[in-house]
Amino acid sequence: GQQVMQIPQYQHVQEGEDFTTYCNSSTTLSNIQWYKQRPGGHPVFLIQLVKSGEVKKQKRLTFQFGEAKKNSSLHITATQTTDVGTYFCAAGNNRKLIWGLGTSLAVNP
Amino acid sequence: NAGVMQNPRHLVRRRGQEARLRCSPMKGHSHVYWYRQLPEEGLKFMVYLQKENIIDESGMPKERFSAEFPKEGPSILRIQQVVRGDSAAYFCASTSIGTGADHGYTFGSGTRLTVV
Repeated sequence: GQQVMQIPQYQHVQEGEDFTTYCNSSTTLSNIQWYKQRPGGHPVFLIQLVKSGEVKKQKRLTFQFGEAKKNSSLHITATQTTDVGTYFCAAGNNRKLIWGLGTSLAVNP
Repeated sequence: NAGVMQNPRHLVRRRGQEARLRCSPMKGHSHVYWYRQLPEEGLKFMVYLQKENIIDESGMPKERFSAEFPKEGPSILRIQQVVRGDSAAYFCASTSIGTGADHGYTFGSGTRLTVV
C-alpha cells in the first residue's frame, strides 16, 4: 500500500539554526498535509499543499510540494525554542490520511 | 465554538477491565477518526466513522476493540479486557468534508490510557 517516508527521524539544532524535514512517497500524492505535535500535546494542522510545485509560507515556516507531487518539505528558518515538537506529514485526502512517522525537533537555547 | 472534545484525558485500568473513550467532534463535523500513538512513535490509524456507520476499520485489532458513532451522542472507542500493550495515547479527529479540505483534521487532546 501507499507509504510515506519522513526523514530525519530526529534533529537537534541550536536556536537560530535552520531546520528541514522531508516527506517522500513512491507514488503520486493528491495532496499533502503537515501537522505539529508539541511534547505531551496533540497534532495540530499546519497546512495543506495540493498543486505541483506549490510553495506556501507561514512566518518562518516554508512548505514545498514537489513538481512530481511525490515529495514535500518543511523548512524552518532561524529556529526558536517554541518550534520544539514533532512534525508529521500526511498524504491523501480527508477520507484517510497516510501518515509519516514524524521528525522530532529539539532546539538548544 | 468548542473543538474536538475527548474524555477522559487520563484513564487507568487494570488488566482485564474495559476502557471506554469518548469523542465529541467539532460542531458541524460528521466524520470521526480514531488514532493510536505509542510513546515516541507516529500515529496509527484505527477507524473512520460517520454517523451510525463504520466507513473504514482496517486499522482496528480484530478482537477486543470496537467503535461506534451513534446518531446522538459522542463517538465511543471501546477496548474490552485491556492488556498492558493497550497503553497508549488515543486521539480522535474530526472533519467536515466538502466545506474545507484545507482545514485538515482537527484533533482532540487525546486520552492517555494506562493499563496496570
